[in-house]
Amino acid sequence: EPEVTQTPSHQVTQMGQEVILRCVPISNHLYFYWYRQILGQKVEFLVSFYNNEISEKSEIFDDQFSVERPDGSNFTLKIRSTKLEDSAMYFCASSEKRQPQHFGDGTRLSIL
Amino acid sequence: DAKTTQPTSMDCAEGRAANLPCNHSTISGNEYVYWYRQIHSQGPQYIIHGLKNNETNEMASLIITEDRKSSTLILPHATLRDTAVYYCFSITNTGNQFYFGTGTSLTVIP
Repeated sequence: EPEVTQTPSHQVTQMGQEVILRCVPISNHLYFYWYRQILGQKVEFLVSFYNNEISEKSEIFDDQFSVERPDGSNFTLKIRSTKLEDSAMYFCASSEKRQPQHFGDGTRLSIL
Repeated sequence: DAKTTQPTSMDCAEGRAANLPCNHSTISGNEYVYWYRQIHSQGPQYIIHGLKNNETNEMASLIITEDRKSSTLILPHATLRDTAVYYCFSITNTGNQFYFGTGTSLTVIP
């Protein structure tokens, strides 16, 4: 069964550095999403992306964050200047129509 | 999207049916009921969804009451691998984001 794949599984970065999290959505899917989950807390929506533009974003998704679909297969989340509080699991999801969304197994981001 | 409420935790004996309830009393006519689960350290996994009819797939059954104010997810023969946090959502087909609450932590006991 096709699945969403995320790389790397664990990313360690110094505070203030830029980080790019990568996702390969399911191939025929058109809608793409990023969520995050701080350790011990709820999964939180960050952003949705369709037709090469952001369709919705949460308050968390500030100017430090950006998303891109650089080619036909990848979907990336960039954090420009990481802070300690950006440490979390980041989940990518994709869907053929808006629902249902299919999630990857996440990238654990650790900021030192 | 309508708010949902679920019990915080439940136990189920291995091999028995797990029945997970969800209340969505303010659901609107065009909102679907979706169920996901999150096994520890993994991404949320889609289970099933429905509008007003009962639904069944290879993972589970979804029973929606006639007034659509509540639903029950049924795992017919729970296994240890079904131990997870189960989330119920109500969302329209044009909705972009799932609002994750605390869900129901299901523990399947050997």
